[in-house]
Amino acid sequence: GIQVEQSPPDLILQEGANSTLRCNFSDSVNNLQWFHQNPWGQLINLFYIPSGTKQNGRLSATTVATERYSLLYISSSQTTDSGVYFCAVGGNGNQFYFGTGTSLTVIP
Amino acid sequence: SAVISQKPSRDICQRGTSLTIQCQVDSQVTMMFWYRQQPGQSLTLIATANQGSEATYESGFVIDKFPISRPNLTFSTLTVSNMSPEDSSIYLCSVGVGLNTEAFFGQGTRLTVV
Repeated sequence: GIQVEQSPPDLILQEGANSTLRCNFSDSVNNLQWFHQNPWGQLINLFYIPSGTKQNGRLSATTVATERYSLLYISSSQTTDSGVYFCAVGGNGNQFYFGTGTSLTVIP
Repeated sequence: SAVISQKPSRDICQRGTSLTIQCQVDSQVTMMFWYRQQPGQSLTLIATANQGSEATYESGFVIDKFPISRPNLTFSTLTVSNMSPEDSSIYLCSVGVGLNTEAFFGQGTRLTVV
């Protein structure tokens, strides 16, 4: 199956700092999605981004499908950004295979 | 988009028993999926719930342990059978509203087996 690696595994930021999370995948994909799992376990959709660049407020994402990686940018981080960020990829269909996640802690 | 309701939201069960988790979607969807998230781990796909036919299981998951039903295009159930403490996890239902589109997840069922 498709292997998905995320880096860094853990990240601690001061409030207001910027960060970049990376997702590498081992094969070509038709689907790629970024999620934020909050401390209560809820999965929140951030971006569906199999290719290209998208922005939503302080968050943006870029996927370079030909080079098999995606980046998630968080600017001006806030304590509410804390949690685990997952990248998930898939081929045809809507099955997704998740990376190991990046655990983000934003301290005030 | 799709709104997904899972029941129960959490449960504590005795080992050796079974639990059935329900997933209800507010619209007809082609694809429904079940995932497991063990404590401190990422999400792992258990199976694709196919309407009108048997579910398709990922490697490492079997029908006897995780029987799945999908009677129509808005509903599915996952049963965790003969539970042991190692089955303690969050189980999540996911749907796709079209081919190669974003996935939507339910709020999950937090299962503890004692």
